[in-house]
Amino acid sequence: NAGVTQTPKFQVLKTGQSMTLQCAQDMNHNSMYWYRQDPGMGLRLIYYSASEGTTDKGEVPNGYNVSRLNKREFSLRLESAAPSQTSVYFCASSGGGTTSYEQYFGPGTRLTVT
Amino acid sequence: GDSVTQMEGPVTLSEEAFLTINCTYTATGYPSLFWYVQYPGEGLQLLLKATKADDKGSNKGFEATYRKETTSFHLEKGSVQVSDSAVYFCALRVAGGGNKLTFGTGTQLKVEL
Repeated sequence: NAGVTQTPKFQVLKTGQSMTLQCAQDMNHNSMYWYRQDPGMGLRLIYYSASEGTTDKGEVPNGYNVSRLNKREFSLRLESAAPSQTSVYFCASSGGGTTSYEQYFGPGTRLTVT
Repeated sequence: GDSVTQMEGPVTLSEEAFLTINCTYTATGYPSLFWYVQYPGEGLQLLLKATKADDKGSNKGFEATYRKETTSFHLEKGSVQVSDSAVYFCALRVAGGGNKLTFGTGTQLKVEL
C-alpha cells in the first residue's frame, strides 16, 4: 500500500497563476483533508471531505477550491495564486475500522508563489 | 472554539536526557488527544493517542497521559536519542464533524550527542 500520495512535491508559481494539487489514498478511507503548514502556525485545515460526494470548509478556505473526484482522490485548486499562499500543503485521510479517527498524512507539496 | 497550546521550541537536549513537551487544550465535550511527529522533509505520523480521561498513550518510548482535571496531555520520554530530533504536534479531535483535528503550533526537538 502506498498510503497517501501527493503530486507534485514542489511547485513554483507566479502571482495570478492557477494550479491543482493532487491527492490519492489507497486505504479505502471515507474522509480526506487538506492542510497548510506555515512556520509558527502549526497545521491549519483548508477543506475537508467527510465522505465521497461532500466537501466542507475548514479554518482557512479563502482562495482555494476542492473536488472529491471519487473515494480515492481529493484535489485542491488555487485559481489565482497569491504570495500569501506560499506554504507546505498536506493531504490526509481517515476512516475505517477501529482506527477510524486516525489521520494518515501524505509527504506534502512545497509551494512557492512569487 | 477548540484549541491546543504547546510549549515553544526549539527544545535542545543532549542524548539520553529526559524530555517533556507540554500540551494543554480547550475543547467542548470530551476530546480524543494525539501526538504526531514530523521528521525533516516528511509528512506527519501518529505517535500516540488517548481517547478518554486517565488513558496513557505510549509508543517508541514516548508516553502521554490524558489529564482531564488539568486539560493537559504532556509528552514525555525517559532517554532521548539523536533520531528523535523532529517536530512534535499535539492535536485534539472532538467527535462528529468529519473527524477534524485541531493542531498545536508544534515543538521542534533537537537532540545532540
